[in-house]
Amino acid sequence: NAGVTQTPKFQVLKTGQSMTLQCAQDMNHNSMYWYRQDPGMGLRLIYYSASEGTTDKGEVPNGYNVSRLNKREFSLRLESAAPSQTSVYFCASSEGPLTQPQHFGDGTRLSIL
Amino acid sequence: GENVEQHPSTLSVQEGDSAVIKCTYSDSASNYFPWYKQELGKGPQLIIDIRSNVGEKKDQRIAVTLNKTAKHFSLHITETQPEDSAVYFCAASPSYSSASKIIFGSGTRLSIRP
Repeated sequence: NAGVTQTPKFQVLKTGQSMTLQCAQDMNHNSMYWYRQDPGMGLRLIYYSASEGTTDKGEVPNGYNVSRLNKREFSLRLESAAPSQTSVYFCASSEGPLTQPQHFGDGTRLSIL
Repeated sequence: GENVEQHPSTLSVQEGDSAVIKCTYSDSASNYFPWYKQELGKGPQLIIDIRSNVGEKKDQRIAVTLNKTAKHFSLHITETQPEDSAVYFCAASPSYSSASKIIFGSGTRLSIRP
């Protein structure tokens, strides 16, 4: 039972490069989320998708875009990476719509040089 | 908007002793309060939650208490074990079905001394 799978686990980018973080869940959940985790700041919501075909901004959406490819997959794209986007990114899902609890993947550690 | 403060940021206790982590929130409309445990290199995992119509909830060695008047809630872990070492996050949201509005605390790193 994989749950929420994120790829890659680690990535180093140069400023200005673009990248897509992938997330897939196998629990038939309706809602999916992207968070970033920075030291001393907990988790902050970037974007979410309440159901297939919908996406909405969270608390810190600037510099990111998302795609809900299908019910299983929700990707996060950085078009022009900046050092301020160095963080650990977590994808989560919930049975939904927007119900709790959320089930988290193991994260992608992203460094922007 | 909602603000959740969590204390302490680090906590070290002797194995077998109890640990208490406290959170306060600012929005009186918050009604759902989950606690997540994050082990090293892993994502957060729900360990217990409480809704505003309940003052206390227990699950084996873990308990959560809620004081809506004072707007604070706490996690209590009794008879701590080495596997309790992790980072713990509290959170608050308006309801069980408003995950997009959840606000997390900044986390407490709990270490259990053998």
